[in-house]
Amino acid sequence: GENVEQHPSTLSVQEGDSAVIKCTYSDSASNYFPWYKQELGKRPQLIIDIRSNVGEKKDQRIAVTLNKTAKHFSLHITETQPEDSAVYFCAASIMTKGTYKYIFGTGTRLKVLA
Amino acid sequence: NAGVTQTPKFQVLKTGQSMTLQCAQDMNHEYMSWYRQDPGMGLRLIHYSVGAGITDQGEVPNGYNVSRSTTEDFPLRLLSAAPSQTSVYFCASSYSGTGENEQYFGPGTRLTVT
Repeated sequence: GENVEQHPSTLSVQEGDSAVIKCTYSDSASNYFPWYKQELGKRPQLIIDIRSNVGEKKDQRIAVTLNKTAKHFSLHITETQPEDSAVYFCAASIMTKGTYKYIFGTGTRLKVLA
Repeated sequence: NAGVTQTPKFQVLKTGQSMTLQCAQDMNHEYMSWYRQDPGMGLRLIHYSVGAGITDQGEVPNGYNVSRSTTEDFPLRLLSAAPSQTSVYFCASSYSGTGENEQYFGPGTRLTVT
């Protein structure tokens, strides 16, 4: 079936440490893998994305890696800060009937402890 | 640009009532979608549309109808509300349905069915 699995569901780290969240997807035709951050009571907002022709992308303290062979991708946050505390969602584009839809993982609640 | 807007912000319905959640975007995006967000379940796709006049089902379409008569609007109709439809509903849009575009989310509608 079409699904995106995300682990862990909760993650606590000390301020300044790194955090890693992992996702796996099922559709080998998936070509786009975004990560969204959702603060409490707010809408999800894109923080970084990666396309299938790239293995790694970095934006300041945030990086995403993609392994198409293994069908998994990961979010890496370095030097975590209290404002990084939020729920993070991965997603993958799934092709169906000639068009794409986006399937999300179940989310990771990240707590950065000061 | 207002981006993606949703109305209402909050709604309480009785079981069996019907209602329409409104979603509009002013970015001339082809692709629009509806998600529901429940604790621990992530964002689950209800319906999506790749352009005016074209809609398709997502992961959890039962009990919901959509139509897309214009590029700007993508309303979600609950035909006969059930307590299981208590959730936060997000509308999202992206430039196209090619599977490689950032989705922009609306602020959400919190629906309670009693």
